[in-house]
Order: sequence, then structure tokens, then C-alpha cells
Amino acid sequence: DAKTTQPTSMDCAEGRAANLPCNHSTISGNEYVYWYRQIHSQGPQYIIHGLKNNETNEMASLIITEDRKSSTLILPHATLRDTAVYYCIVRVGGSGNTPLVFGKGTRLSVIA
Amino acid sequence: NAGVMQNPRHLVRRRGQEARLRCSPMKGHSHVYWYRQLPEEGLKFMVYLQKENIIDESGMPKERFSAEFPKEGPSILRIQQVVRGDSAAYFCASSPAPDGVETQYFGPGTRLLVL
Repeated sequence: DAKTTQPTSMDCAEGRAANLPCNHSTISGNEYVYWYRQIHSQGPQYIIHGLKNNETNEMASLIITEDRKSSTLILPHATLRDTAVYYCIVRVGGSGNTPLVFGKGTRLSVIA
Repeated sequence: NAGVMQNPRHLVRRRGQEARLRCSPMKGHSHVYWYRQLPEEGLKFMVYLQKENIIDESGMPKERFSAEFPKEGPSILRIQQVVRGDSAAYFCASSPAPDGVETQYFGPGTRLLVL
């Protein structure tokens, strides 16, 4: 079972920041937070991951609370093409590859 | 650098036939994962392979399903005697050899329809 809790759906106006929350209150010290998204009928797309520090790349920013029990994915200027299901996943790192456990994710709808 | 490639993209089979799904990992990646997404459901892990080895098959159905990743060539997910319940999207992901926190990159998937 997924170790994360996300809202079922969210709307965001085009051009505004989309803030997607994720709760992972049982996260362990060696578990990373990963974000993927799945645009309709496509394969999941990696977005970003982090351990405890905030991270930023060309797609998004990841803000992890100090106690690491929750995080927020930020898409700074959402476009219609960002409409997708967003998955927050916790996964052990540093001990070899492990499968990803997908929950139900958040269905983000970007509205013109 | 080409991404993960899967073929065919769409596959139609009649009940009782065999389905073979292929996955070519990204260049330099030696680890392959298969996931299945049933209609209107989330992705579920099936099997994790390295070259010539199955590392974790805890998500594979006990019967009719098998996977391999030979020394040469793509990884193959094989479904024997398909049934309608096998209709789903099958995604392959690849990652490099473990040396920290390895990100998995997904292919476009194969959509299997069993008539």
C-alpha cells in the first residue's frame, strides 16, 4: 500500500502556481519523496525527488517540511499541458533499486 | 539519448492466445521494472529484473505471466493464455545500476486488449 495521502483532485488557473500537497507521516529516515505525473494515456513522467532539503529543477519545486511528514510540489506557472494525475511516492534510497508504489494520486486540472 | 522504448504500443489478442511485450531500457540502464495499470486504476508493480536475473517478482500473478531480461536484447513480458482481465496498459521503466537513489524512467506503455 502507498504510504502517502494526497487530495483526489485539484483545479488551478492557467498561469498560476499549482501547489500539490502530500502527507507522508510515517516516512522513515532513509526514504526519499518522489513525484511523478501521468498525462492521459502516457507513461509516468519523473518530476523531482528529495530527502529533506527543498529541491528545484526546470519542471518544479519540492518543499519538504522540517519534520518530513509532508511535502508540496509546486508548478510555478501551470499550463494546460500540466493537466495530469500527480503521484507522490516515498521510496527507500541508498540500498539499491526498489519498486515504486503508486497510490491514487491527485488529478490536477489546469483551467484556461 | 533515446528514452525507454516499448513495443508494440497496442496489442490485440483473443482469449487463449499469447501476448509478448518488449521493453528496451535507456542506454546505460541495466535494471528494468514492469508495471500494470488496469482500467481506471493506479499502476501496480509486477517484476524487477537485472540482466539475466529476476530480482523481485512479488507483483507477478502466479500463473501465465513470466518475464525475462536476457544478456542481449530487450526485456520481455510474456502472458500465456490471455483472458479478458489481462486487458490493461503495461509500462516498463528502467534505471541505472544501484549506486544511491536511482530514478526510474518510464516508457510509453503497451496497451493490451483481449477480445
